[in-house]
Amino acid sequence: ETGVTQTPRHLVMGMTNKKSLKCEQHLGHNAMYWYKQSAKKPLELMFVYNFKEQTENNSVPSRFSPECPNSSHLFLHLHTLQPEDSALYLCASSQDPGGSYNEQFFGPGTRLTVL
Amino acid sequence: DAKTTQPTSMDCAEGRAANLPCNHSTISGNEYVYWYRQIHSQGPQYIIHGLKNNETNEMASLIITEDRKSSTLILPHATLRDTAVYYCIVRPASGGSYIPTFGRGTSLIVHP
Repeated sequence: ETGVTQTPRHLVMGMTNKKSLKCEQHLGHNAMYWYKQSAKKPLELMFVYNFKEQTENNSVPSRFSPECPNSSHLFLHLHTLQPEDSALYLCASSQDPGGSYNEQFFGPGTRLTVL
Repeated sequence: DAKTTQPTSMDCAEGRAANLPCNHSTISGNEYVYWYRQIHSQGPQYIIHGLKNNETNEMASLIITEDRKSSTLILPHATLRDTAVYYCIVRPASGGSYIPTFGRGTSLIVHP
């Protein structure tokens, strides 16, 4: 248990569906991240939020839309996805992106399958 | 841009020490070495980090060479549950916004 929870753990959706992934951290951290991990590939950073403000958007297609209503919650809204978007989506948090105390704590991930 | 290089895979017998190397020859003076691991289909887990001194915690030991161009993560008594992909990352100590970049890491298999 890392203090970062993600729901749902598994999601199957069609290409025309709209769904949302939720992440919540109970660590009092100020920075939150979305990563994508496709099969047999390294983790790919998608978005970074620091104090609720988006500070990184790693050229992610607009069919992925993040939302950070407060420092403890992070959402990833999905719409009109493609089968190649099937992957493990990981949320992480850290005290802040810079600074000495920057180890990231990861959630268990959401396994997404797009049909 | 890969700032670290690690062997693709290693194996270790259960109960023995697992020594995972990492080369970071272009490391800067203010950059830390971090280690994470990822057990299959789970999120990565922080293990340890260090600047220039050797570090030890309940999970592992980190040995950094004097020139800081390489390091070794040591799992003193590997168990089957230590089978995972281990990532070595360098990052600045402070200042600005930094996002750790995870490479392909080393796939460690601990066998009975």
